[in-house]
Amino acid sequence: EAGVAQSPRYKIIEKRQSVAFWCNPISGHATLYWYQQILGQGPKLLIQFQNNGVVDDSQLPKDRFSAERLKGVDSTLKIQPAKLEDSAMYLCASSRDLGETQYFGPGTRLLVL
Amino acid sequence: SQQGEEDPQALSIQEGENATMNCSYKTSINNLQWYRQNSGRGLVHLILIRSNEREKHSGRLRVTLDTSKKSSSLLITASRAADTASYFCAYFSGGSNYKLTFGKGTLLTVNP
Repeated sequence: EAGVAQSPRYKIIEKRQSVAFWCNPISGHATLYWYQQILGQGPKLLIQFQNNGVVDDSQLPKDRFSAERLKGVDSTLKIQPAKLEDSAMYLCASSRDLGETQYFGPGTRLLVL
Repeated sequence: SQQGEEDPQALSIQEGENATMNCSYKTSINNLQWYRQNSGRGLVHLILIRSNEREKHSGRLRVTLDTSKKSSSLLITASRAADTASYFCAYFSGGSNYKLTFGKGTLLTVNP
């Protein structure tokens, strides 16, 4: 089966600009996750969807980050405006259901100048 | 956040040797998982051990879990250059949302 798809793979922007990332999960997977991974650290969960509803967004900086999963399939993560500290890898993952094995996409590497 | 801690932060060995990485955590857990991440890539799930299990094997991987010490170890036997990667432990700390918390990772380098 096809894996989790993400785009773009790389993005370079200037601070205060906006950026959007796209994720297409594995077909049939109900749960979708966005993680932020700063260089040298482990991934940190930003937001978790179950179908098109938000399960956990406690670590999402809501003043600048937003995410949606319309129709319970694809998802987009947006940052507006970006800050230098947002430079990181943004990973999308999906699982069949809550608590099941997560499958990760290749990630989007963001550099904010 | 209650992030796990891996030890060591970095490990360099020769091909054919065994590699052991440790993970400590602070909360009670439902299960503990290990993931591998090749340089600049996504994570790959390696193995899961439940809180009522003490040891689990998968190919050249052996995972142990000691819930009394809140620690786990990952052993890779007969390492290969292709095992060079970062290894992360991750766990569900309970609750209905099954939020996965990752450790900071161990960077393993296997020299040919």
